[in-house]
Amino acid sequence: AQTVTQSQPEMSVQEAETVTLSCTYDTSESDYYLFWYKQPPSRQMILVIRQEAYKQQNATENRFSVNFQKAAKSFSLKISDSQLGDAAMYFCACLSGTYKYIFGTGTRLKVLA
Amino acid sequence: EPEVTQTPSHQVTQMGQEVILRCVPISNHLYFYWYRQILGQKVEFLVSFYNNEISEKSEIFDDQFSVERPDGSNFTLKIRSTKLEDSAMYFCASRRSSGRAISYEQYFGPGTRLTVT
Repeated sequence: AQTVTQSQPEMSVQEAETVTLSCTYDTSESDYYLFWYKQPPSRQMILVIRQEAYKQQNATENRFSVNFQKAAKSFSLKISDSQLGDAAMYFCACLSGTYKYIFGTGTRLKVLA
Repeated sequence: EPEVTQTPSHQVTQMGQEVILRCVPISNHLYFYWYRQILGQKVEFLVSFYNNEISEKSEIFDDQFSVERPDGSNFTLKIRSTKLEDSAMYFCASRRSSGRAISYEQYFGPGTRLTVT
């Protein structure tokens, strides 16, 4: 069975600083995809960044980047130059096999002014 | 950019009533999904639908739930007799047909908040 674990229920970061959100996953599939979603108070799911497991290069999207460690099954999200608008719940998700998302329990990110 | 839409944004219903949540997937997508998120908890898979039939369902998706694609554009989730514990955010998602990489990605709608009283 697939599992996704986010061990940090809550994180805080000062505005303009950098923060890293942790995620580990487990899947028996060799072909899979990893995602980070942001969920603001509106509760809409907003894709932040994606990573294909077959790609060794870490994905980046502007201020967002990942550290994908395939052997360790780790997929952390780094947010640089944090902004007040980054405050939200962040969910890590794995997509493999039967193509349904398995989500982690989320990390609430607070950005301090 | 095409989007998945969902209606209503918020539905309030009494316990025991039937509700239908509606979704309009992106037009060239062929796979459709429903997920549920109870307040404060993670998002959970309910069901996937392809070629007019359920391809996979979770143990949450019991006989009280059904899905339908009635007219080629809408994708609906029906809860026959709602319970208090059905109160949650329900997300619809869709994706294109098979292929590598980005085509596996599911596009989420904004969600319907269901409140059962």
